[in-house]
Amino acid sequence: NAGVMQNPRHLVRRRGQEARLRCSPMKGHSHVYWYRQLPEEGLKFMVYLQKENIIDESGMPKERFSAEFPKEGPSILRIQQVVRGDSAAYFCASSPGGNDQPQHFGDGTRLSIL
Amino acid sequence: RKEVEQDPGPFNVPEGATVAFNCTYSNSASQSFFWYRQDCRKEPKLLMSVYSSGNEDGRFTAQLNRASQYISLLIRDSKLSDSATYLCVVNRIKAAGNKLTFGGGTRVLVKP
Repeated sequence: NAGVMQNPRHLVRRRGQEARLRCSPMKGHSHVYWYRQLPEEGLKFMVYLQKENIIDESGMPKERFSAEFPKEGPSILRIQQVVRGDSAAYFCASSPGGNDQPQHFGDGTRLSIL
Repeated sequence: RKEVEQDPGPFNVPEGATVAFNCTYSNSASQSFFWYRQDCRKEPKLLMSVYSSGNEDGRFTAQLNRASQYISLLIRDSKLSDSATYLCVVNRIKAAGNKLTFGGGTRVLVKP
């Protein structure tokens, strides 16, 4: 499968636990983006990463959220001490770079907080 | 004012009819534009890029009006499978990279 791969597809956590969401970009893509979509709302940009670098994190909440894209392995979006309001669909997208390249999305991770 | 605005709809369209809708953007520095479609609880999928001269892909036609800062999407001969939410997406390139700004989406329901 050459597409953007996200896992898990569904993740259930209790309040206060940690959530780790993974994203492997399309082959040949070195730019990764994370978006969040709350129920009945549009997608909101969170963070843009290239290998080992955070390029733009202007959409990330100031606390509890972090992202990385290591030299080897998938990009990780980490949410510490989850709260009910973190329940959402989290989508990862990748692009080959270039300022006008469209982004291709993974299937998303649906995070539910009990 | 939102950076990218769309009429949420829904647009109820008889099968075979034509439907068109717009999206306005507020930042004149926006440099590239896309239409994505999103089916219920699925990931957004690229429908088409929008070029300055306008472009067509089968039954879909996209237009860009930089002076008035809007883009449009027209769907001809609507199919039941065209029912989806159509997302207007604007890319504002910054020195440190680029990010997509999504509109809230326009919901289209094609009915037999």
